[in-house]
Amino acid sequence: DTGVSQDPRHKITKRGQNVTFRCDPISEHNRLYWYRQTLGQGPEFLTYFQNEAQLEKSRLLSDRFSAERPKGSFSTLEIQRTEQGDSAMYLCASSGSGRAIYEQYFGPGTRLTVT
Amino acid sequence: AQSVAQPEDQVNVAEGNPLTVKCTYSVSGNPYLFWYVQYPNRGLQFLLKYITGDNLVKGSYGFEAEFNKSQTSFHLKKPSALVSDSALYFCAVRDMVSGGYNKLIFGAGTRLAVHP
Repeated sequence: DTGVSQDPRHKITKRGQNVTFRCDPISEHNRLYWYRQTLGQGPEFLTYFQNEAQLEKSRLLSDRFSAERPKGSFSTLEIQRTEQGDSAMYLCASSGSGRAIYEQYFGPGTRLTVT
Repeated sequence: AQSVAQPEDQVNVAEGNPLTVKCTYSVSGNPYLFWYVQYPNRGLQFLLKYITGDNLVKGSYGFEAEFNKSQTSFHLKKPSALVSDSALYFCAVRDMVSGGYNKLIFGAGTRLAVHP
């Protein structure tokens, strides 16, 4: 499968614990996005990477959230001191260059449940 | 403020009948518009986009969408619905205010139910 992959698919954690999610984009894509989707809503933008540079962060991304893309390939999203309000589906997407930047390809998501 | 509205939470249609899923938008400048579909336990799949050119855009799985600038709409259509089209559909617009990074603003989604 050459699509976007995310790991884990599901994560249940207790409030106050730290969690880390991984995203592997399509190999030739240099642009990577993280979104968050809560029940009954559309995805909301969290952050954007072009290669290894994090170029934009949403105000939704509090200081408990950090994202990295160390070698311009896979990316990680860490949430520290999780809260129940962090429960959501975390989606990763990637896109290529030129006109291909307008088509974002999404992974299956990581569903986080904070108890 | 930039936004996307999908006025219907759910659309019900009989198999074989035409379907329309509505979307209106509010952005500054010329919009870049997208439709995505989400099946249970799967990520969003790209269906089609409008950037410029012909107002009628054709996409995957027989779907098409019509861009109407005067009505600020981008409705998704299909001439003959299939039961397998039942899913959650999202309309999105490119954020025209951010630094050209192509982040998307999504609507809340419309659940399409196609009945046999």
